[in-house]
Formats: sequence, C-alpha cells, structure tokens
Amino acid sequence: KNQVEQSPQSLIILEGKNCTLQCNYTVSPFSNLRWYKQDTGRGPVSLTIMTFSENTKSNGRYTATLDADTKQSSLHITASQLSDSASYICVVSARGNNRLAFGKGNQVVVIP
Amino acid sequence: NAGVTQTPKFQVLKTGQSMTLQCAQDMNHEYMSWYRQDPGMGLRLIHYSVGAGITDQGEVPNGYNVSRSTTEDFPLRLLSAAPSQTSVYFCASSYGGSTAGGPYEQYFGPGTRLTVT
Repeated sequence: KNQVEQSPQSLIILEGKNCTLQCNYTVSPFSNLRWYKQDTGRGPVSLTIMTFSENTKSNGRYTATLDADTKQSSLHITASQLSDSASYICVVSARGNNRLAFGKGNQVVVIP
Repeated sequence: NAGVTQTPKFQVLKTGQSMTLQCAQDMNHEYMSWYRQDPGMGLRLIHYSVGAGITDQGEVPNGYNVSRSTTEDFPLRLLSAAPSQTSVYFCASSYGGSTAGGPYEQYFGPGTRLTVT
C-alpha cells in the first residue's frame, strides 16, 4: 500500500479560479512533507517543505498546509494561471530514513 | 551553476544491451539519488548515495548498478537492459539526506527517457 495518497488524481480548472489538492500519508515517524511541481517533460521542482512544527507555508500563489495529527496536507493554488498546468507531487520523509515516499501526483489542467 | 545535469536526454536500447546514464551536480551536495518514473506510478527510488564511496539500494534496485567515486558524479548502469526498464529516469541531489538533519532542498535533473525494445 502506498504510504502517500493524493486526491483528486486529476482536475480541470478555469483560469483565474482557485483549487485545492489533498495529500494523506501514513509515513512514520514523520520528518517533513514537500510539495513539488512537475511540468510535462521536466524534472520536479520544489514548491514548499514543511516540518512537524509548521502548519502553513506559502510560495507565491501556492499555499501548503499540514496537519501532522491527522497526517494530512493540502496545496492551495490561488488565481490559477495557464502555467500552473502540471503534476503536483506530495513527498513525505521519515525521520532517520534517507528514502522519500512519493505520491502519484495530482494532474492539474488550467484552461482559458 | 548548472545544477543537476543528466545525459543523454533520450536513449533507445535493444534487450540485453548495457549502458550508463550520467548524472552530475555542481552544488557540492553529498546526497544523490536515482529515480524512475512510470505512468500512473509515483517516483520510485533505485539507488542513493550519502557521499563519495557510499551507496545504498532503494526500492527497485534490481538490474541497476551505481558507484560514487566523486562528490559530483553519480552514474547509473543498466547491466542487461530489459523492456521492463523502459521509463523516465531522474537524478536528484541535496545537501544531505534525512539522516543528516535538514530538511534539505532536493534538486532534480531534467530526466533521461529510455526505451528498451
């Protein structure tokens, strides 16, 4: 069973609208959670990294939240742009473990 | 500062052939790793290294070898290519892994798209 589950698998949104992506994880003991953006044909690029003590972090129009008690995170995209069309990947790190657990990604398509 | 570079960008191999995927970084990062990405699946760790001379297996290491003779380079060798190894391969680096404290930003290369026929 995958330790990181993301939903929805894909969504289509109108340019200018907001959207929220969800990530649930079972990784333990928790160290940190990352959100990456991956454009088609490119490598993932980091958006945010959050540790146990952080419950929200922003990067421009991207805002990530973390609830370490319920093991849930969300990524909110505000005022979407065509360039936001990409896969958004949730990645969780366990303390003392050099391996990262990757979700399968949320595929977002922004249409004019 | 080129970041993480990978060569080649594309490669087609016949079953049974061997080849090396190159990865280099110029950020003096200790931690480097190789992933494969297949449709409908998350990135899966093949091998990783926490420093020169130290490597360890990831989630899907069979059929792949690595070595880390310098801090900068971390090549991935396919010993005898199989169609199941058709995938997109990403190399990544960071200042350290989870056991080195952190968290540390991880930087990915542009990927190598490999097809095995």
